[in-house]
Parts: sequence; structure tokens; C-alpha cells
Amino acid sequence: RKEVEQDPGPFNVPEGATVAFNCTYSNSASQSFFWYRQDCRKEPKLLMSVYSSGNEDGRFTAQLNRASQYISLLIRDSKLSDSATYLCVVRRDTGRRALTFGSGTRLQVQP
Amino acid sequence: GAVVSQHPSRVICKSGTSVKIECRSLDFQATTMFWYRQFPKKSLMLMATSNEGSKATYEQGVEKDKFLINHASLTLSTLTVTSAHPEDSSFYICSAETRQRSSYEQYFGPGTRLTVT
Repeated sequence: RKEVEQDPGPFNVPEGATVAFNCTYSNSASQSFFWYRQDCRKEPKLLMSVYSSGNEDGRFTAQLNRASQYISLLIRDSKLSDSATYLCVVRRDTGRRALTFGSGTRLQVQP
Repeated sequence: GAVVSQHPSRVICKSGTSVKIECRSLDFQATTMFWYRQFPKKSLMLMATSNEGSKATYEQGVEKDKFLINHASLTLSTLTVTSAHPEDSSFYICSAETRQRSSYEQYFGPGTRLTVT
């Protein structure tokens, strides 16, 4: 079983749509959680950290449920420029601090 | 945000040759750097953790004699793919870690696309 599981998609949505991505993680020692965005043939870029209380950054809202080991990302009013692969990422904050990546969910926003 | 560079950005080499990839933190010191590899349509997979002045820690299944890592300074780590073969063709990405107050932040380099013919 993969340590971080995501639906690979693709999600094809029209501009202006709201889309939600989900992710589950298996290592209960994970302490920090992130969503990264990766464009084709580029390095991943941090989109936002995810906190237990939930957090919002403009059109993006992230939620964390530690009990269910579940992370979500909601994108409102999708733009063409949101088309990318969204990576769910977890990390332990002690000991081995490397990031563990999900395989990503591909989003294609269509005009 | 902090800047991490990688060089070269892409390289094509013949089977059996060695390739060195450099990862530099440009405006901060990184005691720890990480090397990842990403095959097409797959997730980033950690290869090794590189600590300045000490031996790298390799993930299970990654051959330390094939992927040589040197972290000689607080701003530079290198990955050398020795005797490269076509199956080593991949996207290699480094990240450099810095501590911000009570949390750690990782910044990624732009990656190196290696093609072995």
C-alpha cells in the first residue's frame, strides 16, 4: 500500500467550476501536510500547507482530518492556469524529514 | 522565497558514462539536502538524504555505489550517476532544507532531466 494515496484523475472541469481533491496517508507519524502543484516537466512548487483547523488561500481551501488520516483541497472558480498536477505531500518533523509524495491528481481546466 | 539551483538542467549521455548533477542553495545555508527521482507519470521518490559533512543516507533499493552523493559545503550537494544506463533516465530533483523559527522548509531545485542513450 502506498504511503500517500491520491486519485490520479484526470479531472476535466470547465472554467469557473469548483473541484475537490482528496488524499489519504497511512503513516500516523506524519506531522506536516502540504499540497504542491507540479506543471509538466517542472519541479513541484508549494501551493499551501495544511493545518488541522483548515486553511484558505484565495480560491484554495485545504482541510486535514488527523483521525481519518485524510487531506483535501478545494479549488473554487477554476482558472485555465490551474491546470496542473496536484501533489499531496506529508512529512515527519523529527528524524527522517524527507517529503513523501502522492502520485498526484491531474487537473485540466477547459475553456 | 529561498532559491535552489541545479546544474545541468538537462543532459544526454551515452550508456556507461558518469554524470554529475549539482544542487546549490543560493541565498541560505542548507545542512540537509534531499535527492528525489521522478519517472514519467510517477510520483517523486526519495533517493537519499544528504547531510553536510557526513555520509548520505540512502533509501532502500537505491545503490549507494551507483549514485554517489557529496555534500561538501552548506550550499552545495552533488549527485553523480556512475556508469549510467538507459533505465537511469529520469528527472532528478534536489531540495534544500532550512529551518524557519520552529519549522523546517524545503525548497526545490528546477530539476535535471537525464537521458541515457
